[in-house]
Amino acid sequence: DADVTQTPRNRITKTGKRIMLECSQTKGHDRMYWYRQDPGLGLRLIYYSFDVKDINKGEISDGYSVSRQAQAKFSLSLESAIPNQTALYFCATSESGPTDTQYFGPGTRLTVL
Amino acid sequence: GQNIDQPTEMTATEGAIVQINCTYQTSGFNGLFWYQQHAGEAPTFLSYNVLDGLEEKGRFSSFLSRSKGYSYLLLKELQMKDSASYLCAVDWTGGFKTIFGAGTRLFVKA
Repeated sequence: DADVTQTPRNRITKTGKRIMLECSQTKGHDRMYWYRQDPGLGLRLIYYSFDVKDINKGEISDGYSVSRQAQAKFSLSLESAIPNQTALYFCATSESGPTDTQYFGPGTRLTVL
Repeated sequence: GQNIDQPTEMTATEGAIVQINCTYQTSGFNGLFWYQQHAGEAPTFLSYNVLDGLEEKGRFSSFLSRSKGYSYLLLKELQMKDSASYLCAVDWTGGFKTIFGAGTRLFVKA
């Protein structure tokens, strides 16, 4: 079984709709992250969480919100989806410690029409 | 800024050696990661360098020069399955912040 899972894997939605992407992990890691990936731009951090009570904005948080329901679960919401949020979204986890090796989920391909 | 620069694309031949370079801003630098990402898949960890020098791991090696703000990933005995994007990512001091470069797409041809 995969250590980091994401649901859904693919989603097509319309402008203005609310969307939730979910991430679960069985690695027992405290740190969780949400990234989006666009061609030519690499991975950009949306939000990160160091533990259940700690939520932080990344470099591109506008238009997104998150919820850390438990150590193992971290959800990303798009309150009112717009076409430029069409991207590949990755969840990742890492252990607390001096290095921050990240383990990624399989990704969610989101298309906003 | 925290610019991370790496070539957009490279092409190499099966069985050959290829070097993928990455340069970054040295201020606040803590360490450097390399990840591999096949098309449509998740990035996977390859290496982490914090000290100067070369670290070898099978066919893959990673080099770091902290003073020059420079790293490279060396892939030997290239195989077709090495066709992927290679992401350079820098770990900065002063609180969490790992920044990813845009990635280098490597095409391995027969």
